[in-house]
Order: sequence, then structure tokens, then C-alpha cells
Amino acid sequence: KAGVTQTPRYLIKTRGQQVTLSCSPISGHRSVSWYQQTPGQGLQFLFEYFSETQRNKGNFPGRFSGRQFSNSRSEMNVSTLELGDSALYLCASSPRTGSYEQYFGPGTRLTVT
Amino acid sequence: SQELEQSPQSLIVQEGKNLTINCTSSKTLYGLYWYKQKYGEGLIFLMMLQKGGEEKSHEKITAKLDEKKQQSSLHITASQPSHAGIYLCGADTGSGTASKLTFGTGTRLQVTL
Repeated sequence: KAGVTQTPRYLIKTRGQQVTLSCSPISGHRSVSWYQQTPGQGLQFLFEYFSETQRNKGNFPGRFSGRQFSNSRSEMNVSTLELGDSALYLCASSPRTGSYEQYFGPGTRLTVT
Repeated sequence: SQELEQSPQSLIVQEGKNLTINCTSSKTLYGLYWYKQKYGEGLIFLMMLQKGGEEKSHEKITAKLDEKKQQSSLHITASQPSHAGIYLCGADTGSGTASKLTFGTGTRLQVTL
């Protein structure tokens, strides 16, 4: 099976802009979780989608949003970008919601200037 | 302070030497997960520990869980250059869902020839 894919792999944006990141889970997996990784805060949970519904949410402002499509592909959007949003954004797919069995993608490295 | 503390933050060892990485939680552990990450890439699942006193091994990597101390240790025997990377522990501290793990800040391991 193909692994989790994320696009784009690298992105440079300017403060105030918005960005959309994409994640394609492993075939058959219906859960997609998003994480933000920064040197200062480490790896932090953003949200999880399962069957097109947000099931869990971390402690991030409303500028961070996501959605999941019927084919389980997921997108996350960050509006009004801030310098502190520069990070590696990882998505993980799982066959079930709330499962520890997570498979991570390579990540999208976002740089905000 | 961090909910999940890892020590040391970084480690440089000579090839063939043994090493130990610790992960200590300030909250009760309901499950502890070890991952490995190559710089700037996604996480690779190593092993999961759920019961106090549980010990698991994968090739030359062994992990133990001390439930009373709310601590886990990861031990690598006869380190090789392929062991280099960032080791992250993730824990379920009662969030109610396995997908909302809390992660440590990681231990960066370098293996010299």
C-alpha cells in the first residue's frame, strides 16, 4: 500500500496570507489527524477528522481549520498567517477514529516571512 | 513545564555503544508510544507500552514502562549510524482519545563512526 502523502512538501508564505495543506491517507484509512511541530513547542495535536466529521480538536486558534472529503483526503487551512505559524505540519492516518495505530506522512514545512 | 519531559535533549554516541533515553510524565500514563523521526520527516512508530512493567523489543531497541514512576525508558544496544534521528515519546494521559497524544520535545541522537 502507498503511504501517507502530503502536498506540498515545502511552502513559503507572507504574514497575513492564508495557506491550504493537503493530506492523502493510506487507502482504506478513514481517520486523518493533523499535528504541528515546532522547535519550541514540539509536536502538538491540531485536530482529527473521521468520515468527514471533526472528532477531536487541540488547543489552537480558530485560524486553523480543516476538512475531510468523502474519499478521506483531508485539507487544513491556516488563515491570516503569523510568523509563529512557521512549522512542520504532519498528518497521520488511521483505520479507525481514536486509534493509536497512526501512520505519519513526511510533512509540509511552512515558512512564514 | 512540559507535561512530558524527555532526557537527554541530545546525545552523541560512538558506534557500538549503548544508550538510554528517558520519558517522564507529570500525569498518569494510560499508554506510552515511542516514535523515531528523521530530521524534517514524518514519524515512524517503534513500539507501544500499556501495562506497568511492560517491556518490548524491536531489533536492538528495548523500551520499558514504569507505571508507578510515570516513566518510560528506551534503550539501544550496540548503536549504529542507522539509529541516528530524533526519538519522540507520545503519551495518552487521559485525554479520552488515543488520537490526541501528548508528545515530548524529543531526543536528538547522533551516532559517530
